[in-house]
Amino acid sequence: GAGVSQSPRYKVAKRGQDVALRCDPISGHVSLFWYQQALGQGPEFLTYFQNEAQLDKSGLPSDRFFAERPEGSVSTLKIQRTQQEDSAVYLCASSPLAGEYNEQFFGPGTRLTVL
Amino acid sequence: QKEVEQNSGPLSVPEGAIASLNCTYSDRVSQSFFWYRQYSGKSPELIMSIYSNGDKEDGRFTAQLNKASQYVSLLIRDSQPSDSATYLCAAQVGSYIPTFGRGTSLIVHP
Repeated sequence: GAGVSQSPRYKVAKRGQDVALRCDPISGHVSLFWYQQALGQGPEFLTYFQNEAQLDKSGLPSDRFFAERPEGSVSTLKIQRTQQEDSAVYLCASSPLAGEYNEQFFGPGTRLTVL
Repeated sequence: QKEVEQNSGPLSVPEGAIASLNCTYSDRVSQSFFWYRQYSGKSPELIMSIYSNGDKEDGRFTAQLNKASQYVSLLIRDSQPSDSATYLCAAQVGSYIPTFGRGTSLIVHP
């Protein structure tokens, strides 16, 4: 069956440009997570959705970052006025449940490079 | 301070040996633990989850959890070159978000 998909896979942006990253979770998965992963580091939590509700956005690094999941399926992570420090791989993961047993299925990621 | 600690490695083992990967966590009330494998340039893939003290075996993989000592480990028996990857440990407190370590790089040489 289809896994988690993300688009675009690669994005090059000029500093100051706005970008939008899309995540299609596995159908029926309740939980959706966004992570930022720098080279040589583990995934760093950005935000969490349970269905359409954004329950935790404590990891978003600044108010330039915004995420939504309006119908409880596809999610978009938007970064406004991109900066060089935003360059990273952005991972989306979904989980069939909400709660303790968050076994996550990751998408392939979007590699963002800000020039 | 990172809440989940892993030695970044690399850990190098010969083919056929047992690879032992360790992880410690700081939040004593962590309840759920996960091991993910991440090949270079790819996304993490779930290998094992463990929720109770003791050992959990799945094929060549064994996860071990000791909540009193706040560590979780992953053993890979009969290591193969295809096991060469970064192994990420994640700990979760209740229904909150899993926190990932930085990962341990494993190299299995023929």
